[in-house]
Amino acid sequence: GAVVSQHPSRVICKSGTSVKIECRSLDFQATTMFWYRQFPKQSLMLMATSNEGSKATYEQGVEKDKFLINHASLTLSTLTVTSAHPEDSSFYICSAATGPGEQYFGPGTRLTVT
Amino acid sequence: SQQGEEDPQALSIQEGENATMNCSYKTSINNLQWYRQNSGRGLVHLILIRSNEREKHSGRLRVTLDTSKKSSSLLITASRAADTASYFCATPSGGSNYKLTFGKGTLLTVNP
Repeated sequence: GAVVSQHPSRVICKSGTSVKIECRSLDFQATTMFWYRQFPKQSLMLMATSNEGSKATYEQGVEKDKFLINHASLTLSTLTVTSAHPEDSSFYICSAATGPGEQYFGPGTRLTVT
Repeated sequence: SQQGEEDPQALSIQEGENATMNCSYKTSINNLQWYRQNSGRGLVHLILIRSNEREKHSGRLRVTLDTSKKSSSLLITASRAADTASYFCATPSGGSNYKLTFGKGTLLTVNP
């Protein structure tokens, strides 16, 4: 089946630093990738939609300058949390889609900002 | 805003019992999906049901869709401890078949 990886799986950083999270589709080319954020015991909230070669589309309320998304190729999208603060601590999950319908999810990245 | 709303929020059953989770949504859809998430992990796609389908089966899973009531249900039969997870319904959103909006989820605990 379609496999999506994320790296790192866990990261702890100091307040004010930036953190980059990678999302890769390992055995397929994804036309679209999505970035979600999930707080404990809550649902996934879509942050942005990423298409290869074009600028990401951010959901309302998501700061594009804080959450930088680069979709460099059909198999790689990166999310950079810039100038991270403790309130950015969360579980970040990416997914990839080849078309309408099913999305393939990565295992998630646990970000802790101290 | 949440498109899908699941109930119950939490469900605890014994192994071997059936588990039923419900999802309601607000706008017209052309498909509805169910996903499963183990604690601290990503989501796994379980099943997609299209708006012209009323029921769909996959192994021990049975999904129904009632577009007139804007609701869906997920039934897991003969549950196992390994079924313990959170289950989310998801519907297309924002006029796109690519974007999904997830419900709040049901935390299912299957006790051995």
